[in-house]
Amino acid sequence: VVMTQSPVTLSVSPGERATLSCRASQNIYTNLAWYQHKPGQAPRLLIHGASTRAAGIPARFSGSGSGTEFTLTISSLQSEDFAVYYCHQYHNWPPVTFGQGTKLDIK
Amino acid sequence: EVQLVESGGGLVQPGGSLRLSCVASGFTFADYAMHWVRQVPGKGLQWVSGISSDSVLLAHEDSLEGRFSISRDNTRNSLYLQMNNLRREDTAFYYCAKEGELSLLSWFDRWGQGTLVTVSS
Repeated sequence: VVMTQSPVTLSVSPGERATLSCRASQNIYTNLAWYQHKPGQAPRLLIHGASTRAAGIPARFSGSGSGTEFTLTISSLQSEDFAVYYCHQYHNWPPVTFGQGTKLDIK
Repeated sequence: EVQLVESGGGLVQPGGSLRLSCVASGFTFADYAMHWVRQVPGKGLQWVSGISSDSVLLAHEDSLEGRFSISRDNTRNSLYLQMNNLRREDTAFYYCAKEGELSLLSWFDRWGQGTLVTVSS
């Protein structure tokens, strides 16, 4: 399953909304997760099951979608949210596949 | 607290070998499938290998051409990645990751900090 994220880079001002997209090359139902990754840190699980927030994740992060089209929305960007975001399909393996990432930049 | 601590990275010449380790704590290691994921500096995440809780099911990324081998020792709460015939393009941070559910194939709810493998002469 090929995962394609868009855009590659997204520039947004603090306090604004960010919308990130992920498309799967075939139906993966809701077997999708989102991760946040900052340089020098471990990737952090944000969302699983396409829309379920992981433990401790702020409510400003939300996920939606099913089948082949998915969205991660960050409702009001905080300074700590600027990072790279990856989607990940776990519908079937091998291989497990990730999107190429969306870099969220401060505008 | 769940912790995953990788070790074993370093500088190795092309054609050489390394064995990465990941020691787990804070959960029942023997209950969960585990994976290795890598990131070439400046690039995205790439899945490398995965292994079921009982080591019955394991798989590797096809492009590795059989050079890497994943294993685990549930008595030592440890995950391993044996990497042979290393190439310059294997230079990357290598992360171990824990699955989020008891059934095989789910999201990765915990990741280690990573260990850097540099393949260079």
